[in-house]
Amino acid sequence: DVKVTQSSRYLVKRTGEKVFLECVQDMDHENMFWYRQDPGLGLRLIYFSYDVKMKEKGDIPEGYSVSREKKERFSLILESASTNQTSMYLCASSFWGLAGGPGELFFGEGSRLTVL
Amino acid sequence: SQELEQSPQSLIVQEGKNLTINCTSSKTLYGLYWYKQKYGEGLIFLMMLQKGGEEKSHEKITAKLDEKKQQSSLHITASQPSHAGIYLCGADMEYGNKLVFGAGTILRVKS
Repeated sequence: DVKVTQSSRYLVKRTGEKVFLECVQDMDHENMFWYRQDPGLGLRLIYFSYDVKMKEKGDIPEGYSVSREKKERFSLILESASTNQTSMYLCASSFWGLAGGPGELFFGEGSRLTVL
Repeated sequence: SQELEQSPQSLIVQEGKNLTINCTSSKTLYGLYWYKQKYGEGLIFLMMLQKGGEEKSHEKITAKLDEKKQQSSLHITASQPSHAGIYLCGADMEYGNKLVFGAGTILRVKS
């Protein structure tokens, strides 16, 4: 089975702290994604990566950065956490789909971040 | 995403009843994905549709993509408590490697 593992299920941080969210997949997928999920807003794409050291901004990249040094690992970084970044963060990975799109996404269990 | 509208936002049904969730796009859909999420957990893939008119079923869940490829429906027959959760549609609207998601539909099934 494909496994996407997120390092922390629950985190509580203080405003201004630097936060690292780690994601590891074991299926040799090219694509990796970070979404945040908020009630009523669904999933919004923060950043994605289609290759090692490559990254693309999603719909809401402000306040976030990412790192992909190895194919299996995609990290989301909050340089200076703020209360409006309190959310559920979901990592996903996929192969390229047949039609050139992302194909089926496999999701991790999510990381619920609270910023006080 | 405003590009992908799901309806209804929430739904409460009596166990055994049928229900339908809709996902409507403002653009042509190159791929439409349905996921289910239990509260506080990750998303579980249900099915993917790519061709206009395509219909797929898994157990008591059926999804269709309309001919014009701008709307999909998810139909659950004889709902059970195990069907409760959040259903999200995700779409590939242009050639690229990201999915856009709807806001989700919260389904509760009363025993």
